[in-house]
Amino acid sequence: KAGVTQTPRYLIKTRGQQVTLSCSPISGHRSVSWYQQTPGQGLQFLFEYFSETQRNKGNFPGRFSGRQFSNSRSEMNVSTLELGDSALYLCASSGTSVGETQYFGPGTRLLVL
Amino acid sequence: GESVGLHLPTLSVQEGDNSIINCAYSNSASDYFIWYKQESGKGPQFIIDIRSNMDKRQGQRVTVLLNKTVKHLSLQIAATQPGDSAVYFCAETYGAGSYQLTFGKGTKLSVIP
Repeated sequence: KAGVTQTPRYLIKTRGQQVTLSCSPISGHRSVSWYQQTPGQGLQFLFEYFSETQRNKGNFPGRFSGRQFSNSRSEMNVSTLELGDSALYLCASSGTSVGETQYFGPGTRLLVL
Repeated sequence: GESVGLHLPTLSVQEGDNSIINCAYSNSASDYFIWYKQESGKGPQFIIDIRSNMDKRQGQRVTVLLNKTVKHLSLQIAATQPGDSAVYFCAETYGAGSYQLTFGKGTKLSVIP
């Protein structure tokens, strides 16, 4: 099976802009989670989607949003970008069984100038 | 809030030696634990997991030990190889159906040839 794919891999934006990141889960996986990774805060949970519904949300401002499509692909959006949003954004997918392992994609490296 | 932490930020070992990476968690309700390996420029890669009803689980060259009494998790890597050089994260979650992982800060493992 192909792994989790994320596009784009690298992105440069300026403050105030918005950005959309895309994630395609492993075939058959219906849960998609997003994480932000920074040197200072480490890996932090953003949100999780299952069957097009957001089930969990981390402690991030409303500028961070996401959605999931019927084919399980997911997008996350960050509006009004701030310098502190520079990070590696990781997507992970899981199967349908409770507690199944999350498998991560390579991430999208976002730099906000 | 409660979080998962690591005792040592860096660990250097000689090639062929065994490595032990430790992790402390504070949420006694956590029931699923995972170790991930992250190489530079890549997303976290699943290594091994363990559920709270177990105290030991073995994989290929890796063993995870769980001590619920002191809320401690460890990853043992046998015959460490240069390819094992990476940052290792422990992660925990709790509650049936929860896909929200809480990650530790990470330990950088450097293997000396």
